[in-house]
Amino acid sequence: NAGVTQTPKFRVLKTGQSMTLLCAQDMNHEYMYWYRQDPGMGLRLIHYSVGEGTTAKGEVPDGYNVSRLKKQNFLLGLESAAPSQTSVYFCASSLSPGANQETQYFGPGTRLLVL
Amino acid sequence: GQQVMQIPQYQHVQEGEDFTTYCNSSTTLSNIQWYKQRPGGHPVFLIQLVKSGEVKKQKRLTFQFGEAKKNSSLHITATQTTDVGTYFCAGRAGGNNRLAFGKGNQVVVIP
Repeated sequence: NAGVTQTPKFRVLKTGQSMTLLCAQDMNHEYMYWYRQDPGMGLRLIHYSVGEGTTAKGEVPDGYNVSRLKKQNFLLGLESAAPSQTSVYFCASSLSPGANQETQYFGPGTRLLVL
Repeated sequence: GQQVMQIPQYQHVQEGEDFTTYCNSSTTLSNIQWYKQRPGGHPVFLIQLVKSGEVKKQKRLTFQFGEAKKNSSLHITATQTTDVGTYFCAGRAGGNNRLAFGKGNQVVVIP
């Protein structure tokens, strides 16, 4: 199993450009998450999904959109990139929120630089 | 909203010494998880604690969940250079749909 994969690994954007980050998991997990990580800020939840076709806002959703058309994929979109969105983006997945099934498995991350 | 606080934020530890990192919540947690992120890597799950007062050990690592289920600690003995990284705790308040991560404790090991 590949686990959780993310593409691309690294990207440079100019202000105002758009892009989509792709996350894929092969563990048949119901829950998927998008986080951003900035120095000193830890992991901040952007959006998450509790199943195919559903999405919900996290802690810092502004400027991002997501879609979960297939259970194994969770896409994060930036419609008009801003320098404040320079960050490392992590995708994660978990089975469910049940007490013994909610270990989150993280992808390797996407490093995004917005100029 | 639910907040999970970690202290300290940074630690410099001499190789061979012990250290502890703490995690505190303003609300009672149904469970607490610990993750480790190596420099340049991604967070990796270490352990989950569910019961009040629970203590679990993994070799040199000892994890504890407080009696009131509002705090947790990770104690590492005989620190090695491989212990370098950022340790995150994450907790869920009962009924909440998602985990809340702390900001992490970045650990630097001095050889």
